[in-house]
Amino acid sequence: EAGVAQSPRYKIIEKRQSVAFWCNPISGHATLYWYQQILGQGPKLLIQFQNNGVVDDSQLPKDRFSAERLKGVDSTLKIQPAKLEDSAVYLCASSLGTGGRDGYTFGSGTRLTVV
Amino acid sequence: KQEVTQIPAALSVPEGENLVLNCSFTDSAIYNLQWFRQDPGKGLTSLLLIQSSQREQTSGRLNASLDKSSGRSTLYIAASQPGDSATYLCAVRPGSGNTGKLIFGQGTTLQVKP
Repeated sequence: EAGVAQSPRYKIIEKRQSVAFWCNPISGHATLYWYQQILGQGPKLLIQFQNNGVVDDSQLPKDRFSAERLKGVDSTLKIQPAKLEDSAVYLCASSLGTGGRDGYTFGSGTRLTVV
Repeated sequence: KQEVTQIPAALSVPEGENLVLNCSFTDSAIYNLQWFRQDPGKGLTSLLLIQSSQREQTSGRLNASLDKSSGRSTLYIAASQPGDSATYLCAVRPGSGNTGKLIFGQGTTLQVKP
């Protein structure tokens, strides 16, 4: 079974620029998550989709972050404009349901550096 | 509000030692708990998933236990090897009104010296 695919692996941008990350979950997984992991910390949920609907975006900084999951498959997370504190690894994960029985599968992440 | 804490933050042991990583959580109403491994610059690899009704799970040299009432989980690694060097993350899935969100600890960075 193919894993969760993310691209790009690395991105360096200047503050106030925009950036987009892409995620393709495991085939058939209804739920998709975007997590932000700042260096030295555990991942923090930004947004969760169930199919193509948003379930939880309570910790998403909506003034600068946006995400979509068209057709309930792959997803894009965008930051515009970026700030220095957005430097982090952005992890995408997916689960068959809501992770209760089978757990979660994470992608390799996108490391963003804002300079 | 659920909080997850992992102690110690870092651990260095000689090869061959058995070791225990600790995870504690403040709200015992959890659905499940999962241990992950993260190598430098990489994503998370799932190691063990323990449902709230279970006491432990085993996979090879790894054994994870769960004591919901005391809000604690341990990850036991037997006969450690240099290849076990990584950061180990504990995450809980809250049980009440939950949508699937995971709450993570800060992680324990393990170094196994040859």
